[in-house]
Amino acid sequence: EIVMTQSPATLSVSPGERASLSCRASQSISGKLAWYQQKPGQAPRLLIYAASTRATGVPARFSGSGSGTEFTLTISSLQSEDFVVYYCQQYNNWPLTFGGGTKVESK
Amino acid sequence: QVHLVESGGGVVQPGRSLRLSCEASGFTFFSNGMYWVRQAPGKGLECVALISYNGDNKYYADSVKGRFTISRDNSKNVLYLQMNSLRAEDSAVYYCAKPYSGNYLEPFDIWGQGTIVSVSS
Repeated sequence: EIVMTQSPATLSVSPGERASLSCRASQSISGKLAWYQQKPGQAPRLLIYAASTRATGVPARFSGSGSGTEFTLTISSLQSEDFVVYYCQQYNNWPLTFGGGTKVESK
Repeated sequence: QVHLVESGGGVVQPGRSLRLSCEASGFTFFSNGMYWVRQAPGKGLECVALISYNGDNKYYADSVKGRFTISRDNSKNVLYLQMNSLRAEDSAVYYCAKPYSGNYLEPFDIWGQGTIVSVSS
């Protein structure tokens, strides 16, 4: 099973600033990396797939990068609705696995 | 509009069984693989089962193998998860999810609202 490790667990950022979230895979996942946003009481929402492709309707302030085993989600200018939890997921192998999540909180 | 609606959750004693359902609408259900994903209270996400578009291929997480069975009825557009020998650690919100273009090993673009399973004596 591929282990996904996200860091930091909690990220404190001021509104309007940039946030960078990291995700590391225990082995190469051939760029098959997705990012999700989860608001309290809701199901996750797909933001990014194939490491850097924004899903339909996702604002341009969200961008993904990386390859091999190291990936990053960047939120260029944090809005109030962005202070929630983010998960990465690898879909290169079964079982599909998620990272433990990064909570973005307002400083 | 694409929708997934789960049902069947509840409170159950350890060792008992429960069957979850997921009704799909707004897309060609019969041509899509489907997943069950769970999230324990305050915890992360775990893929527990995957079924191919025609039901011929099924995959399970080690944590549920031999206890859970995924199935589908394409004539009714419904996905199921039969959960037997339930344990306290199976307590979670259970989501059904659709892969982005219906194939295996893809991210999930559509999720249901979830149904809560609580295993407690």
